[in-house]
Amino acid sequence: ELKVEQNPLFLSMQEGKNYTIYCNYSTTSDRLYWYRQDPGKSLESLFVLLSNGAVKQEGRLMASLDTKARLSTLHITAAVHDLSATYFCAVDRDDKIIFGKGTRLHILP
Amino acid sequence: DAGVTQSPTHLIKTRGQHVTLRCSPISGHKSVSWYQQVLGQGPQFIFQYYEKEERGRGNFPDRFSARQFPNYSSELNVNALLLGDSALYLCASSPSTPRDLASGGYEQYFGPGTRLTVT
Repeated sequence: ELKVEQNPLFLSMQEGKNYTIYCNYSTTSDRLYWYRQDPGKSLESLFVLLSNGAVKQEGRLMASLDTKARLSTLHITAAVHDLSATYFCAVDRDDKIIFGKGTRLHILP
Repeated sequence: DAGVTQSPTHLIKTRGQHVTLRCSPISGHKSVSWYQQVLGQGPQFIFQYYEKEERGRGNFPDRFSARQFPNYSSELNVNALLLGDSALYLCASSPSTPRDLASGGYEQYFGPGTRLTVT
């Protein structure tokens, strides 16, 4: 059974700091997705990572994928308050998309 | 272009009743997926449909069923509602399926969700 684990589940950080969210998954998959969810809102797609070594960047967020380690990271550079949200990673296998529990990110001004 | 739309926005039902949730995908998208999100948790995969055929099913009981229509809109039906069915139900559309490697990835676009409360 495919399992997706994120850590930390909750992160409070100061503006201007850097931090990394980790996403581990239990079985082989070559595709990993990152989403953002604001409170009371739906999910917004951030990144689609398709192969080992894939790296994508958008603004202060950078995501990478290591399929051999079954690990993806979401790195936040010089955090700003607007990045406060819950971030989910998800992995697909056999036409099923499995999400992690999410990392609730709170950035203090 | 309009995004994914879902109806109704909110719904209150009583235990044992039946509910139908509706989803209209982005124009041109042939794939629709349904997710259940309980407060404080990640979305749980329920179904994926592509070209009106079920392509994936999550670990949900047979009380949950869905279908996709010729215009690619979709319905999620839940029978014999339980208190534990209270959740945000999300629909997502995509132009492809997870197995369509040539598409360059399975990017999903989520609707605003239907908040179901079972009392």
